[in-house]
Amino acid sequence: NAGVTQTPKFRVLKTGQSMTLLCAQDMNHEYMYWYRQDPGMGLRLIHYSVGEGTTAKGEVPDGYNVSRLKKQNFLLGLESAAPSQTSVYFCASSRQGRVSYEQYFGPGTRLTVT
Amino acid sequence: QQQVKQSPQSLIVQKGGISIINCAYENTAFDYFPWYQQFPGKGPALLIAIRPDVSEKKEGRFTISFNKSAKQFSLHIMDSQPGDSATYFCAATRGANNFNKFYFGSGTKLNVKP
Repeated sequence: NAGVTQTPKFRVLKTGQSMTLLCAQDMNHEYMYWYRQDPGMGLRLIHYSVGEGTTAKGEVPDGYNVSRLKKQNFLLGLESAAPSQTSVYFCASSRQGRVSYEQYFGPGTRLTVT
Repeated sequence: QQQVKQSPQSLIVQKGGISIINCAYENTAFDYFPWYQQFPGKGPALLIAIRPDVSEKKEGRFTISFNKSAKQFSLHIMDSQPGDSATYFCAATRGANNFNKFYFGSGTKLNVKP
């Protein structure tokens, strides 16, 4: 049981390049989330998904796109990277229902855009 | 507008002392208040959480105090240890009514000196 995994762990991009971050979870969770973490700003929600084939915008969605073609995977795309997207990106997942609202986080991807 | 405000930004405590981190929120519809612990290079992990129907929850050396009327909650770490040195985030959510979306505080970096 690996929980939530993210690939890659590190990436350096040049301005204007594109890339996709992959998140996978093996807990059969309905909900998945993408956050970015910047110093002094906590974790901010980029996009989230409440089920396979559905996505929605979070607090800071501009410059990012997402897809959830399979329940266990949630992809975050940067079409044209900008230096302002330099950050640490975390994926999380959560089960549906009222028993527990806990979000389980992956180890993160450190992205630098030069 | 920041939904959850956290203070202090950083905290230095001697081994054996008490660490206290405070959070305040505005939305009275929030019904779950977790604290997450994050070690360098790792993803956040749930430490302890509380629902608004109780005023205190204790797990080992960690206690959440909750003041519903003041819309504040705090984390107390008793007998702080160097191994507790980490960044702590408070959060709040409306839970199942809002797909378990969390609003995070800005984080507190705790350094426990031996």
